[in-house]
Amino acid sequence: AQKITQTQPGMFVQEKEAVTLDCTYDTSDPSYGLFWYKQPSSGEMIFLIYQGSYDQQNATEGRYSLNFQKARKSANLVISASQLGDSAMYFCAMREGLIQGAQKLVFGQGTRLTINP
Amino acid sequence: DARVTQTPRHKVTEMGQEVTMRCQPILGHNTVFWYRQTMMQGLELLAYFRNRAPLDDSGMPKDRFSAEMPDATLATLKIQPSEPRDSAVYFCASGLDYGTPTYEQYFGPGTRLTVT
Repeated sequence: AQKITQTQPGMFVQEKEAVTLDCTYDTSDPSYGLFWYKQPSSGEMIFLIYQGSYDQQNATEGRYSLNFQKARKSANLVISASQLGDSAMYFCAMREGLIQGAQKLVFGQGTRLTINP
Repeated sequence: DARVTQTPRHKVTEMGQEVTMRCQPILGHNTVFWYRQTMMQGLELLAYFRNRAPLDDSGMPKDRFSAEMPDATLATLKIQPSEPRDSAVYFCASGLDYGTPTYEQYFGPGTRLTVT
């Protein structure tokens, strides 16, 4: 079964608009962490934002925020005021367990975001 | 600015040849991960190490792939013999599993492998 599901293979958004990238996850572990990574055309993987399963507040990092709905098992990434440089692949990932050694990430298939001028 | 480095960045080889990819994790990080990215399968974890000890290599085809950490500054991923289906981008990532609330992984630039 898919642990991380990103249902939007591609999205097109006008510059300066906000965009929401969807991510749902599946786990029975009460302790987990959710990550978003950006992969521009150059290929590197850039960490954007993290949400822990016990965090009370939704994570925010600059223009990035994570809409964490635990009961729905969703962790959508919101990018406010999109810029041309936001065009990239975006991956949602999950780490199950918060004990030492349980660090491996499971990635979704990604969403390709294109920002139009 | 500490970064994970990987060599080579690009490798083209013929089927049957041995391929060795190298990774230098960020100094002080105690976990190292190898991922493979393909269009069909996406990002898959191949193996990972904690304090140089292999913790999980269940994602790796054991008959041809091997991963080692000869020392804390070097991780290697070998394929012998290589096959066309091994063509992919191989990422190394490193991180800390203590003293951080996020345990985020820092990725290297990847090695793009083409096996003809």
